[in-house]
Amino acid sequence: SAVISQKPSRDICQRGTSLTIQCQVDSQVTMMFWYRQQPGQSLTLIATANQGSEATYESGFVIDKFPISRPNLTFSTLTVSNMSPEDSSIYLCSSGTGGLNTEAFFGQGTRLTVV
Amino acid sequence: GIQVEQSPPDLILQEGANSTLRCNFSDSVNNLQWFHQNPWGQLINLFYIPSGTKQNGRLSATTVATERYSLLYISSSQTTDSGVYFCAVYNQGGKLIFGQGTELSVKP
Repeated sequence: SAVISQKPSRDICQRGTSLTIQCQVDSQVTMMFWYRQQPGQSLTLIATANQGSEATYESGFVIDKFPISRPNLTFSTLTVSNMSPEDSSIYLCSSGTGGLNTEAFFGQGTRLTVV
Repeated sequence: GIQVEQSPPDLILQEGANSTLRCNFSDSVNNLQWFHQNPWGQLINLFYIPSGTKQNGRLSATTVATERYSLLYISSSQTTDSGVYFCAVYNQGGKLIFGQGTELSVKP
């Protein structure tokens, strides 16, 4: 299993500002993923963080709003830019090999409130 | 794409009661996981169960892949079991697709 550390665990931010969330895995992993969970909703995949190349974004998510870095095989960051109250959500990172037969593990999540 | 449906959406139990949560999926899968999201938002892995039956303490899960469903059983429920239970499967692109969850509330 993988142990994933995510920080901050929670934050309250002013609209118009940006927040960077960090995700550290205790072993090298091929794939890292970022999810958003809006209040009362399920998890939605934002993007796949690729090591050495640009992230791959899902429909409805763009790099200007959610820039992602993946400098090595154990670390990734997600930035939520120019925040509005609609960005208030839990953001979670996940790791895995991306294969069809592997177990996914998640960080403890970042609870973001934008005021 | 693959659809994942969970039922019931909400469940209220008295402490000590048993419950069964269901997850239906629309296509064949190679992976199915059950998670428990605690009130602080953390996702806890319960079972990785693409097929068959597994047990862990008061919890057990069964996946019948040929019939495209999985069941999560909670016995002798405790207040600490409260939270949201998600099942999730990988689609053919290797992305994890979540159901909408079952929100469980266990009353003392």
